[in-house]
Order: sequence, then C-alpha cells, then structure tokens
Amino acid sequence: AQSVTQLGSHVSVSEGALVLLRCNYSSSVPPYLFWYVQYPNQGLQLLLKYTSAATLVKGINGFEAEFKKSETSFHLTKPSAHMSDAAEYFCAVNIRDDKIIFGKGTRLHILP
Amino acid sequence: AAGVIQSPRHLIKEKRETATLKCYPIPRHDTVYWYQQGPGQDPQFLISFYEKMQSDKGSIPDRFSAQQFSDYHSELNMSSLELGDSALYFCASSSSRTGGADTQYFGPGTRLTVL
Repeated sequence: AQSVTQLGSHVSVSEGALVLLRCNYSSSVPPYLFWYVQYPNQGLQLLLKYTSAATLVKGINGFEAEFKKSETSFHLTKPSAHMSDAAEYFCAVNIRDDKIIFGKGTRLHILP
Repeated sequence: AAGVIQSPRHLIKEKRETATLKCYPIPRHDTVYWYQQGPGQDPQFLISFYEKMQSDKGSIPDRFSAQQFSDYHSELNMSSLELGDSALYFCASSSSRTGGADTQYFGPGTRLTVL
C-alpha cells in the first residue's frame, strides 16, 4: 500500500530564509505526488503536482518540489520565506486510484 | 473561476442526530470525493463517486452514506452522530477518472460539531 511520511510536524524558518519541507513516499508503482497547503480554517489548496513528466515541478507562490525516485522523496522548497507562507502543508500520493493519501502534515512557522 | 461549493459551512448537531452535507463540484467535473479531517489530523478519504456510481470506499462508517445525483452534486448523510464525528468534511472534485493524474480540487469544507 502507498504511504507518505512527512518529516517534522513543525518547521520554523526566518523570513527570507530557505523553506524545506520533507516528504518521502512509499509505493510499488510510479506515484503521482502532490503538495497541498491549508491556511487556518480554510480548505486545501493545490501547490503543485508531479505526474511523471519533469522531475522538478514548479508550483504557485514560488514553491517547487523535486521528485527523486532513488530517494523516494518529494521535498518542497522555496528560496525565500514570506510571512504569508505560514500554514499547514500536506504531501500526498495517488497511485492511479481514486483516493489521495495524505501525510500527517507539517506546520510551517515564519519567524520575523 | 468556479470552485467546489459545500454547504453548510458550519453545522452543530446533538449526539444521535442526523446530518446531511452537500457538495457541488466544479462545472463539468464528474468525480466527487469526500474526506474527513479530525482536529489536528490529516484528511482521511471516505468515499468517491464517478458518474453517479460509487467508485471507491475508504474508512467511512456504516452510519454514513453518500450518493451522487444526476447533476453531479453529492450528499453525505450521517446518522446516529457521535462526538467523534466532529471534524472538517471536505469535498473534492475532478474532471475525469484517468488514474490519479487529474487534480482534485477541494471545497472549503463543512465544519461539523457534535455536542
């Protein structure tokens, strides 16, 4: 069965610093991978998705993620953090099936 | 652009009562998914429908049922509500059923509180 592991339930970075949110997946077949962001009391917004095209995927708000099959990873990065990036981030996997399997989430805190 | 609409946005019920949550997918989307997100938890898949037929089932209690109607909107019916059913319920929609590549667009959620 597929699964997603997000390392670190809370990550704090200073404003302007690099953001790195880690995600590792487990799948017996090539997966589709997603990053979603959830602001407080709001729904889930898609940041970016990997669907077996380019391994470096660019998303909204300056985020990008790189699919590394050898490491089974799909880490999310942003060169310079902004206060508005503070939110919960979910890595998710979909293995040619209907349902999305979400990771436990990482809450990103931005320090002034 | 039109998004997924969920109603109501907030719902308060007593234990053992019933609740009905509604989801209106993005126009021309034919697949609907329901997820449950408990406090501080990740969203958990409940059930999905494609072209008005149930396409997949996850950890949905027997007390819950759902259906998709001819206009593609979906309703999640919850009976004999328990305190543990208090959660944020998301509906998502996608445009086709081609093996996962299609993006699921999420609605704002319905926050159900069971007292």
